[in-house]
Amino acid sequence: AQSVTQPDIHITVSEGASLELRCNYSYGATPYLFWYVQSPGQGLQLLLKYFSGDTLVQGIKGFEAEFKRSQSSFNLRKPSVHWSDAAEYFCAVGIITQGGSEKLVFGKGTKLTVNP
Amino acid sequence: GAVVSQHPSRVICKSGTSVKIECRSLDFQATTMFWYRQFPKQSLMLMATSNEGSKATYEQGVEKDKFLINHASLTLSTLTVTSAHPEDSSFYICSASRGVTDTQYFGPGTRLTVL
Repeated sequence: AQSVTQPDIHITVSEGASLELRCNYSYGATPYLFWYVQSPGQGLQLLLKYFSGDTLVQGIKGFEAEFKRSQSSFNLRKPSVHWSDAAEYFCAVGIITQGGSEKLVFGKGTKLTVNP
Repeated sequence: GAVVSQHPSRVICKSGTSVKIECRSLDFQATTMFWYRQFPKQSLMLMATSNEGSKATYEQGVEKDKFLINHASLTLSTLTVTSAHPEDSSFYICSASRGVTDTQYFGPGTRLTVL
């Protein structure tokens, strides 16, 4: 079955420090991969997505992610974290169902705290 | 572009009543809309997928008679929680996409509290 694992439930970094959020997926076909960010009480905002092509994907707010097929990973990175980046981050894999529709399978999320 | 709204943002209702939540794609036509439920400090769980003009496809374990989904137009889908009970209290989020493999754009969510 398809699944997404985000090993870190909670990460704390200092403002200005670099950040890497881990994501591993399990899916038999070529994955569509996404990172979303959710602020408290809000919906999800798309940070970036990988469909095909270049395995290093640039997103909004200075984030990037690298797709590594051999490791089934799609880790999210940012070189210098800002206090406003504190939020919950969700990795997701898009799968095509037998009926031909698409659905997203989400990881459990990683909560990011940024210390001043 | 690709803005999705939800209404209401918060709703409190009495046990046994029904609640309707609207999801609208404001600047694009959404052939597919999705409804998710999110429990506190948990991930999003897909409840159902709806395509405009056809019946929704519910995920395993989701009661279709309790969570009624209508996708009457390319810009509007509604979720009605019928005979709501306290255990239905949750954060409900919708998303919309232009089609298969297109990015899903999420609404801001609706906080439902059933007393």
